[in-house]
Amino acid sequence: GESVGLHLPTLSVQEGDNSIINCAYSNSASDYFIWYKQESGKGPQFIIDIRSNMDKRQGQRVTVLLNKTVKHLSLQIAATQPGDSAVYFCAENSNNQGGKLIFGQGTELSVKP
Amino acid sequence: DAMVIQNPRYQVTQFGKPVTLSCSQTLNHNVMYWYQQKSSQAPKLLFHYYDKDFNNEADTPDNFQSRRPNTSFCFLDIRSPGLGDAAMYLCATSRDNGNTEAFFGQGTRLTVV
Repeated sequence: GESVGLHLPTLSVQEGDNSIINCAYSNSASDYFIWYKQESGKGPQFIIDIRSNMDKRQGQRVTVLLNKTVKHLSLQIAATQPGDSAVYFCAENSNNQGGKLIFGQGTELSVKP
Repeated sequence: DAMVIQNPRYQVTQFGKPVTLSCSQTLNHNVMYWYQQKSSQAPKLLFHYYDKDFNNEADTPDNFQSRRPNTSFCFLDIRSPGLGDAAMYLCATSRDNGNTEAFFGQGTRLTVV
């Protein structure tokens, strides 16, 4: 079955350092993955996505890595800034589940100046 | 310009008094989702529409209902709110099922007194 993490791990980094946020997903049939950033009191905001036929995708200051063998997704943020402080969620989607977007565990990122 | 609009941003309702949350979109997307998000937790999918086709999650309580009178609008009805229903309710849309990004509104924070 599907699993959605209900705990909220935290990651604290120094401004300017790189951040790595990890996520495990459970559905091996998932073929599309998204990272969202959520600031306090706001809705999730799209950061970057990746399809299952890729293992890496880069955006501006962000990189997503997908390891289908171990069902693991990571988000790398380069030169982390105070404005990056937020909760980050991974989400997975698969056509064989009617295209439902299911969220995985969140990680709270705190950037120290 | 806001593309997914949720009203109101904050809603206070009495225990047991029916309440309706609304969501509208200007994207002309086929899919509309409703999520419930409690503090420090991931958004939990309640149900979604693909056009007029309603898809309920197996563990969504009967107390939660939804209506989608047209492409642009979707409503979440809570028939008899309990204290445990206090949460952030998020609406999202996507162009299609599967491999497309979902756009979120800013959410409605529901308080039950």
